[in-house]
Amino acid sequence: AQSVSQHNHHVILSEAASLELGCNYSYGGTVNLFWYVQYPGQHLQLLLKYFSGDPLVKGIKGFEAEFIKSKFSFNLRKPSVQWSDTAEYFCAVINSGNTGKLIFGQGTTLQVKP
Amino acid sequence: NAGVMQNPRHLVRRRGQEARLRCSPMKGHSHVYWYRQLPEEGLKFMVYLQKENIIDESGMPKERFSAEFPKEGPSILRIQQVVRGDSAAYFCASSPTRDTYEQYFGPGTRLTVT
Repeated sequence: AQSVSQHNHHVILSEAASLELGCNYSYGGTVNLFWYVQYPGQHLQLLLKYFSGDPLVKGIKGFEAEFIKSKFSFNLRKPSVQWSDTAEYFCAVINSGNTGKLIFGQGTTLQVKP
Repeated sequence: NAGVMQNPRHLVRRRGQEARLRCSPMKGHSHVYWYRQLPEEGLKFMVYLQKENIIDESGMPKERFSAEFPKEGPSILRIQQVVRGDSAAYFCASSPTRDTYEQYFGPGTRLTVT
């Protein structure tokens, strides 16, 4: 069965530190990949997505992610985090051709200390 | 994104009661997805509906759970005879078509079963 794994469940960083959150998926076919963010008390928002083309994807708020097909990975990065980045981050995948259901990872809680 | 509306935001039910969760998709969206987030877990797909049709209910528990998306009005997720294990956050998402693969999420309904 298709699955998504996020390696870090809870990350604590100081402001200006660099961030990398790991995400691996287990489907060998064509996939579409997403990172969603959920700020405290708010709904999920799309940070960025990869469908095809350049494997380095830039999203909102300075986030980027790199799709490495050989490693089945789609890690999220940000060079310098801010206190306002404190949130929960979810990696998700849809395999092309299915009914559109997103398969989510367990989520990573990021806490940025001012 | 204030488009996807869910109500109520919080719902408390005693064991054995019924829970009804409502989701109004964004304007112009005819595809609705329901996801459940259990404590300490990621979001899990439950059901995908189009107007008046259930397209994929592979994530729905076999008993007590049902969903509908009528021609008029919101999508409803109904849980009969709730048990403590149903306590979770239930998220609805919508998209204009399946092929966009981009889903917009509502704020969720937090169900607590006492």
